[in-house]
Amino acid sequence: AQKITQTQPGMFVQEKEAVTLDCTYDTSDQSYGLFWYKQPSSGEMIFLIYQGSYDEQNATEGRYSLNFQKARKSANLVISASQLGDSAMYFCAMREGPYNFNKFYFGSGTKLNVKP
Amino acid sequence: NAGVTQTPKFRVLKTGQSMTLLCAQDMNHEYMYWYRQDPGMGLRLIHYSVGEGTTAKGEVPDGYNVSRLKKQNFLLGLESAAPSQTSVYFCASTSAILNTEAFFGQGTRLTVV
Repeated sequence: AQKITQTQPGMFVQEKEAVTLDCTYDTSDQSYGLFWYKQPSSGEMIFLIYQGSYDEQNATEGRYSLNFQKARKSANLVISASQLGDSAMYFCAMREGPYNFNKFYFGSGTKLNVKP
Repeated sequence: NAGVTQTPKFRVLKTGQSMTLLCAQDMNHEYMYWYRQDPGMGLRLIHYSVGEGTTAKGEVPDGYNVSRLKKQNFLLGLESAAPSQTSVYFCASTSAILNTEAFFGQGTRLTVV
């Protein structure tokens, strides 16, 4: 079974609008972490935001927020006020806990295009 | 502040040749990982290490071997390269603290012809 599922291979958003990138995960661990990364066309992996499995509040980092719904095992990324520089590939990732050796699993990614 | 450094950045191999990719981190991280990135498939875990002298298989280990003789280095070997191993390879490392992200190298673009 897939550990991380991203069902949107590509998305378009108008500049200055908000966009939600979907992510669902699968784990039997009680303690785990959820992450989002951005990969621009230059190829580097840029960490955006983190949510812990025990965190009750949704994480926010500037224009990024993570909509965490634990019971549904979803961790959607919300980008507010999209900018042209947000055009990139976005990966959702899960870090399992120590009993599963802290392995990181990644989804297949969503390519976001921001239109002027 | 180098972080995670991968060597080389680009390589072209002929089928059947061997090579080693080197990953070095200067953050004293316990955990290190090798991934391959293919279009439409995201990053898939090849092998990982939870500490010096220990390695384990990930999701797609076949055709690869790894070693971690020093805490800061994690080597990925291809003994007999195949065209199916054409990919972008990423190394990553992280600390034992659960809320720490994975830090990535810049990637190695490998083409097997």
